[in-house]
Amino acid sequence: GEDVEQSLFLSVREGDSSVINCTYTDSSSTYLYWYKQEPGAGLQLLTYIFSNMDMKQDQRLTVLLNKKDKHLSLRIADTQTGDSAIYFCAEISNTGGFKTIFGAGTRLFVKA
Amino acid sequence: KAGVTQTPRYLIKTRGQQVTLSCSPISGHRSVSWYQQTPGQGLQFLFEYFSETQRNKGNFPGRFSGRQFSNSRSEMNVSTLELGDSALYLCASSRSTQGTEAFFGQGTRLTVV
Repeated sequence: GEDVEQSLFLSVREGDSSVINCTYTDSSSTYLYWYKQEPGAGLQLLTYIFSNMDMKQDQRLTVLLNKKDKHLSLRIADTQTGDSAIYFCAEISNTGGFKTIFGAGTRLFVKA
Repeated sequence: KAGVTQTPRYLIKTRGQQVTLSCSPISGHRSVSWYQQTPGQGLQFLFEYFSETQRNKGNFPGRFSGRQFSNSRSEMNVSTLELGDSALYLCASSRSTQGTEAFFGQGTRLTVV
């Protein structure tokens, strides 16, 4: 079945880079997404990558995709305290119909 | 352009009652998906509606149902509420199917007592 896994916690110092990792199982995934959730809020789409790409950069965010290993990562450069949130990795799976499968989320703590 | 609007934001119900949650998608978006978020289970897909038809359904009991209207607004209903239904219910809208970028509302926090 489809599954998306992430580590649950990450703690970094302000100004350092953060790297959040994710693995997925469905090789039919067409899109892979990173969402951010701040306390009491819904999910905010940060960035996404097509499954035929290896890398995508968007300002402080860099997404790397290793399709062979089904591994996705999100790098946040110069991490700020405002980046403290839960980050969700998600894949669009086409097994049994399109649906979005979310990981459990990685809680990022940024220490000043 | 207005984002995804979910109402109400907070709700307290007692066991056995039923509840209806509402979601207004972004104008022009025809797909609405519903998710349940709990600390223990994370984000779980409930169902997706597109052009008033349910296209996909997650592994939830029949007490969870939904519908979509001709203006793409969607409602989700939970009958015979259980304590375990306490969660944040999130709605996401997309222009077409779930294969495209989804925008989330702020959610409805349901507490069952």
